Amino acid sequence: AQSVTQLDSQVPVFEEAPVELRCNYSSSVSVYLFWYVQYPNQGLQLLLKYLSGSTLVKGINGFEAEFNKSQTSFHLRKPSVHISDTAEYFCAVSHYDKIIFGKGTRLHILP
Amino acid sequence: GAGVSQSPRYKVAKRGQDVALRCDPISGHVSLFWYQQALGQGPEFLTYFQNEAQLDKSGLPSDRFFAERPEGSVSTLKIQRTQQEDSAVYLCASSLWDAYQPQHFGDGTRLSIL
Repeated sequence: AQSVTQLDSQVPVFEEAPVELRCNYSSSVSVYLFWYVQYPNQGLQLLLKYLSGSTLVKGINGFEAEFNKSQTSFHLRKPSVHISDTAEYFCAVSHYDKIIFGKGTRLHILP
Repeated sequence: GAGVSQSPRYKVAKRGQDVALRCDPISGHVSLFWYQQALGQGPEFLTYFQNEAQLDKSGLPSDRFFAERPEGSVSTLKIQRTQQEDSAVYLCASSLWDAYQPQHFGDGTRLSIL
């Protein structure tokens, strides 16, 4: 069975500092991986996706993620965060006809 | 509209009442998904439609939950005899073809059972 583990429930970071949100997955087959962002009282918005090809994936709002098959990880990074990045971030993995989400990481931007 | 639309945005019901939640997917999107998001948790899969066919309902927590998409467009999630544990945000998503393509989410319906 496929599963997703987000290692940090909350990550505080100072504005303009870099950030990494960690995600590990378990799967016995090839996977498609996603990062979604959820702003308060809103639905989820796709940040980026890995389907195949280059292991470094660039997404919207300056985010990028690196697929590491040997470590079964798909960590999300941004070199310099802004106050507007305050949100909940979800890592997800495809599983046939559905997507399995992690429990989320809340990103707190400190002034 | 351009995005996935869900209604109502908020629903309060008394325990034991039936509720119906509506989802209007993006026009032309073949696949439609329902998720349940409990407070502080990630979304959990409920069910999946491809056009009008419900291909997977393995995530529906009990036989009190029922979903339909009769004409392959608008979908309704119905919960009968609601219980307090049904309180959650219910998210609808659609994708152009299948789950391997990016899913576009609505803003959800926040259901509170008193």
